[in-house]
Formats: sequence, C-alpha cells, structure tokens
Amino acid sequence: GAGVSQSPRYKVAKRGQDVALRCDPISGHVSLFWYQQALGQGPEFLTYFQNEAQLDKSGLPSDRFFAERPEGSVSTLKIQRTQQEDSAVYLCASSLVGSGPNTGELFFGEGSRLTVL
Amino acid sequence: AQSVTQPDIHITVSEGASLELRCNYSYGATPYLFWYVQSPGQGLQLLLKYFSGDTLVQGIKGFEAEFKRSQSSFNLRKPSVHWSDAAEYFCALTGNQFYFGTGTSLTVIP
Repeated sequence: GAGVSQSPRYKVAKRGQDVALRCDPISGHVSLFWYQQALGQGPEFLTYFQNEAQLDKSGLPSDRFFAERPEGSVSTLKIQRTQQEDSAVYLCASSLVGSGPNTGELFFGEGSRLTVL
Repeated sequence: AQSVTQPDIHITVSEGASLELRCNYSYGATPYLFWYVQSPGQGLQLLLKYFSGDTLVQGIKGFEAEFKRSQSSFNLRKPSVHWSDAAEYFCALTGNQFYFGTGTSLTVIP
C-alpha cells in the first residue's frame, strides 16, 4: 500500500490477555519503529528495527512486550498478560533510510488503540 | 541527555490570527529537528524538518520554523491560522532515536 498500515485499529482486551498488533510499513522502507502514545502525551519510543534486526529495544517497558520483524517487512508487537497501564495508542512508523534513525523522515500509521479492561 | 520540551500544553487562537508554537531541545550536538501534526484519530504527518543550512525552514500548509542554536529552540509559526489547523502538534528531535515532545493542542476559534 501507499502508506503505513496498522491493524487492528482498535483492540479491547481483558486484563491478563495477550495481544498482537501488526504493522505493514511502506514497501522498501528499511527502518521500522514502534511508539506508545498515552492519552495526552507524545509518542514514547519502544523499539527500532533495521530490516529484520532489532537494533534498539530500550524503550520496551517490560519483558511482557516483544516485537519482531522476521522478514524485514511486516512487524508484530506482542504484549503478554496485558495490564491496564498498557492502554494506549501504539504507533508504527517506517523510514526509507537504513543508516540509522537520525536522518530519515518517519512515516506513521494511524495507530492501534489498545484498551485494557 | 536528549529531550524535547513543548512548554504550551494548549493554545487557542482566532482564525486568521498568527500562531507560534514553542519547542526547546536539549542535545549535545547539532540536532535534526522536526515538527509533526496529528489530527484526531490520525497518524502523525510531517510538517517540516531542519537538518542543516538555512535556519528558517518552510513546510507544508504554510508553516515555517526557525532554528535558533543560541536559544536551543525550534519554534513553529504560521502567519494566518485556518480552522483546519486545529490539531495536536509535536516537536521531535533525532539523536540516537526519535524523541518527541509532549505536544501542544491547538484550538482555532471561528
């Protein structure tokens, strides 16, 4: 597709459930980022991939959060045993630049809104 | 440490009035700076970016921003605001990663 696509757009989970959020980046984009955006806040960095390699996962808030990008295109963010504090919009962004995150424009998806009851 | 500060949480302006949104940054070298806009339920869209060169950069939708190294600022401006500009605006900096400010919510009064 022409832009970054995320699914599902909305997800309601009961506390303790596992969820998986999918991101389809723009075709050919090397870099892929996940951000968490709480209500009224700016996006907070979670993790970064360059192709299939996860180069930085320092922003993942706990070991319940896991991300993968096995073939260097589609990425999945998995949250295990969800907690209420995980409720947020999860944004995916991709960038054409492969030499690092500090030069390329990020193209964002519309986000996946997760509500944990 | 790298950080971005947007001092104004919410700003209200009248349609046709001028606009300035503040952004201050902390970074040990010359940063790459961005402004993004987010409409309700939408992803973030790039308005403009500064990498180097001319410190006054032009963006889409009539926005511009000026990089001032001495003040560690990258304020966003627009001479005449339109009702469709109402949205959330985020300043961002890249160093090791992309860092976003907490955003400024803009309300436009008809």
